[in-house]
Amino acid sequence: DIQMTQSPSSVSASVGDRVTITCRASQGIRSWVAWYQQKSGKAPKLLIIGASSLQSGVPSRFSGSGSGTDFTLTISSLQPEDFATYYCQQADTLPVTFGGGTKVEIK
Amino acid sequence: QVQLQESGPGLVKPSETLSLTCTVSGGSVDGYYWKWIRQPAGKGLEWIGRIYPSGRTNYNASLKSRVTMSLDTSKSQFSLKLRSVTAADTAVYYCARGAENYYYYYGMDVWGQGTTVTVSS
Repeated sequence: DIQMTQSPSSVSASVGDRVTITCRASQGIRSWVAWYQQKSGKAPKLLIIGASSLQSGVPSRFSGSGSGTDFTLTISSLQPEDFATYYCQQADTLPVTFGGGTKVEIK
Repeated sequence: QVQLQESGPGLVKPSETLSLTCTVSGGSVDGYYWKWIRQPAGKGLEWIGRIYPSGRTNYNASLKSRVTMSLDTSKSQFSLKLRSVTAADTAVYYCARGAENYYYYYGMDVWGQGTTVTVSS
């Protein structure tokens, strides 16, 4: 299975901060990488597909980049509603696997 | 818009079979993969498997010997059966919709709200 190693596991940040989350695949993969946001007690919400394409309706402060083994999710200016846990996911090779998650907390 | 709703028992005894159904409303099942994902309390997400309307399935190898998925297009429902459950199968179970083609992966864009299944005697 392809392992997706996500870091950091948690980050404390303030409103307006820039936050960057990284995900490293255990082998090179196509850009079949998605990012999800999950708030407590809720289902994940799709943010980014194709490593860098913003899903419809997702604010432009979210962006994704990367290729090969290294992928990044950036929140350019953290808003109160962005405090949540974020997961990367690869679908290049079955089984689909997720990163361990990054919890973005209020500083 | 498309909505998904999981249903099934919230409590299953060890060694028995967990059975869940996901009902699709507001859209067709055609042209999409239909998936099951689970999340133990306080932990990350685990992909269980997927089914296509043709009946083609793919399962996570870690669960493959115990999993069966099916899809009833006439009812717009798909189902998960997980046999011989143990406490380790206690989790929130989500159904989700996904799409991909040879060139592109469109992610899992619609999710059910999740249903908690506890394995306990």
